Order: sequence, then C-alpha cells, then structure tokens
Amino acid sequence: DSGVTQTPKHLITATGQRVTLRCSPRSGDLSVYWYQQSLDQGLQFLIQYYNGEERAKGNILERFSAQQFPDLHSELNLSSLELGDSALYFCASSVSGGASYNEQFFGPGTRLTVL
Amino acid sequence: AQSVTQLDSQVPVFEEAPVELRCNYSSSVSVYLFWYVQYPNQGLQLLLKYLSGSTLVESINGFEAEFNKSQTSFHLRKPSVHISDTAEYFCAVSVPMNYGGSQGNLIFGKGTKLSVKP
Repeated sequence: DSGVTQTPKHLITATGQRVTLRCSPRSGDLSVYWYQQSLDQGLQFLIQYYNGEERAKGNILERFSAQQFPDLHSELNLSSLELGDSALYFCASSVSGGASYNEQFFGPGTRLTVL
Repeated sequence: AQSVTQLDSQVPVFEEAPVELRCNYSSSVSVYLFWYVQYPNQGLQLLLKYLSGSTLVESINGFEAEFNKSQTSFHLRKPSVHISDTAEYFCAVSVPMNYGGSQGNLIFGKGTKLSVKP
C-alpha cells in the first residue's frame, strides 16, 4: 500500500458526460501528479500541483482540468468525454515539488470506461 | 525533448533463468533514470533509480540496472527470476531542475511485460 488513495476505482460513463476523479496523497506529501495510462499512448504525464498551485502541465487536453485543495487532496475533472478518454488514470504524490529525483508514490488508479 | 524506448513489449522467461529488460533514452541533457514495476491490478512502485555516482544500482529484491551514458541505456537485469516477478516494468526519466526540468515529471517508456513461467 503506497498510502495514496484514489476514488472511484472504476467509472463507466457515456460520451459527452463529465466526471471527477479524486486523489488523496500520502500524509506529508505536498505534490500531486496525474498520469493517464492507455494502450496506445502508454503512461503520460498530465498535470502537477504543489501545495495548491499548478506547477507543471504535460499532455493534458483542454477538456480536462485539475485542482488541489487546502487539505492537499486533488481532483481531476474530465468533461465532454470521448471514447478515446477511456484509460487508467493514476495519481502520484511526492514530498516536494522542486526536486526531480524525489520518489513518486502511485495510487491504485481509476479505470474510466467511456461508452 | 526526452523520450524513452523499451525495446521489448513482452519478455517470457522460465523461473530461475536470468532476464534483461532493455531501456534506451534520448535526451540532450543529463537525466535521472528510474525503473517502476506494476503488479497486476496495482499502481506503480519504484524499483530502483539512478541519480548520480555509481552507474550500477540495485534493488532490495535482486534486480539491478546499469547506467551507460555512451549508449544512453539503463537496462534492468536479474540473475534468477521468480514467479512473483511477473509484472509490467516501466523505465522512466526526469530532467533535473538545473537543466530546465519541469519539477520532476516522469517520462515513461511503453512498458515491458515480464512473464515468468514455472
């Protein structure tokens, strides 16, 4: 158990809908990262938050957004869903946001299926 | 930009045999290198990492990886595998902040599925 929790574990929805994925980092970790894992694209970095502020953006679509709350949990919002958004979404956390060698601890993921 | 290539998508091997999972990276600056493992239906776990110093790094469960700068490789090896090593293995890089890296975000390869058979 990494100490990172993600809910829900599975999510099935229809095209055009909006969903919210939730992540709670390990106790004491200030940085949260979101990754998307799909069969064709592999594991791709989406976005990072550090202590409530956006720190870095990767291959995140404009239809997707995220935020980190004062209690450090984070939510990833996916809207106008398309079939191609079906993937496993991972959240990871690390102690700080300023060192690229800090270990990232991954949650178990949320499997999103868009029908 | 950085990229990571894992040359084998699947590696089947018999129990107690040696294994090597290959990883090559492309970067114009120095990078940190990582191997993560994903067991079935679980998240990723850090297996080992290379930051600096000795080019050979080891994990607690018998895996080792060697950083080869001239060949831009970071291959993962184990001299004798167990059934429990069956998992998907991901090689990843991140760019240090002093080389313009963006806060430690990991760039992953596509993964190698290791299947250990009895």
